[in-house]
Amino acid sequence: DGGITQSPKYLFRKEGQNVTLSCEQNLNHDAMYWYRQDPGQGLRLIYYSQIVNDFQKGDIAEGYSVSREKKESFPLTVTSAQKNPTAFYLCASSSGLALGTQYFGPGTRLLVL
Amino acid sequence: RKEVEQDPGPFNVPEGATVAFNCTYSNSASQSFFWYRQDCRKEPKLLMSVYSSGNEDGRFTAQLNRASQYISLLIRDSKLSDSATYLCVVIIDQFYFGTGTSLTVIP
Repeated sequence: DGGITQSPKYLFRKEGQNVTLSCEQNLNHDAMYWYRQDPGQGLRLIYYSQIVNDFQKGDIAEGYSVSREKKESFPLTVTSAQKNPTAFYLCASSSGLALGTQYFGPGTRLLVL
Repeated sequence: RKEVEQDPGPFNVPEGATVAFNCTYSNSASQSFFWYRQDCRKEPKLLMSVYSSGNEDGRFTAQLNRASQYISLLIRDSKLSDSATYLCVVIIDQFYFGTGTSLTVIP
């Protein structure tokens, strides 16, 4: 079955710790995205990637980093510089940047201890 | 100014009712339009695309009004299972999401 997977489902971060959220897709999509969603709020774009080895900052990139070494994978690292990381993180992909339909993974819920 | 604006609701309607949501967009260069559904603590899922001529999928009808720059979603004969948050999405140079409209269908 084609789709997007994210892991883990829940992640706990200690103060000062970097954590990495995984996102993998087998839809053969070129574009991938990371969003953050806070309770009762809309989606905010963190980073996006149009093609392998290329990525761009979204609206709220501070405190986050990404890599795109493979077409299928777009991991997000939440660094210790992100002071308020508790949120629901959603990974998405589409055939091209701003092209076609966006499909989402099941999300990772990050909580700070 | 936000690219996409939605009334957050909540909309509380009885089973069997008809309910409509609107979403306005600010950029006339907007190319494509969608409605997504998001259940509590889950990811958004595509409900339907929105075409200029209007389109229907069962109890759901989506319409686009380019002159007034809004899209709408009409749900007829509401079911309990329709309870969710409905997000409108507009593509310009990126995917722009509305903040969502919450719907609760009451028995």
